[in-house]
Amino acid sequence: GAVVSQHPSWVICKSGTSVKIECRSLDFQATTMFWYRQFPKQSLMLMATSNEGSKATYEQGVEKDKFLINHASLTLSTLTVTSAHPEDSSFYICSAPIAGASTDTQYFGPGTRLTVL
Amino acid sequence: AQSVSQHNHHVILSEAASLELGCNYSYGGTVNLFWYVQYPGQHLQLLLKYFSGDPLVKGIKGFEAEFIKSKFSFNLRKPSVQWSDTAEYFCAVNARYGGSQGNLIFGKGTKLSVKP
Repeated sequence: GAVVSQHPSWVICKSGTSVKIECRSLDFQATTMFWYRQFPKQSLMLMATSNEGSKATYEQGVEKDKFLINHASLTLSTLTVTSAHPEDSSFYICSAPIAGASTDTQYFGPGTRLTVL
Repeated sequence: AQSVSQHNHHVILSEAASLELGCNYSYGGTVNLFWYVQYPGQHLQLLLKYFSGDPLVKGIKGFEAEFIKSKFSFNLRKPSVQWSDTAEYFCAVNARYGGSQGNLIFGKGTKLSVKP
C-alpha cells in the first residue's frame, strides 16, 4: 500500500526557534498533501492543504506566516513552524491521496511530536 | 459547520467481547464516511469507508460499520475483539458540496483497551 513518512518523528526546540517537518510520499506521487494538528485527547484538525507548485490553502484561524508550507515536489511537502512557542507544542500529522485519485482516500504519516520549551 | 461526535472516549473490553463504537455526524448533504485506526506508536490506517451503495460496509480485520442516514450515524462494530485491537479509533466524514470534495473532519477518537 501507499506509504507516507514524516521526519523527524519528534523534536524538542527552544522558544523562538523554527522547526521544519518533512512529509514524503514514498511510493506514489502526491500533488496534494494535508497537514493536521492533534492536541491530546482531541481530534485531528486540518491546518492547511499543500499543493505542489502553488500556494498552500490554510484553514480559518491558521496563521500562514507562522506555519510555512512548501510543496516542492510531487513527493515532498514541508511544514515550518516559525518562531515556535510553547503553545505550538502538538502532534503534527500529514496525509496524502494518490495523485489523480480521489482525495477521499488519504494515507497518513506517522506524525511528528513537537515540544517547544 | 460539520462536526463528528464519537460517544465514548475510552472503552475497555475483555477479549471475545463484542464491540460497537458510536459515531454521529452533522451534515444534511452527501457524505463519505470513514473509520481510521491508530495502533500504539503507529500512523493512522484506514479500517473501512462508505461512499455509496450497501450501507453495511466491511473493512479489514473483521470490522464492519453501518451507515444509517436517518440517524446520521456510522457505528463501528466487531463481533469478537482481540487484544491486538487495542488502539484508538477515529471516525471521519468528508462532506461533499455539489460534487466537489470537502475536507476530512475527524471525531475526537475512542480509545479501545482490550484485556487479555
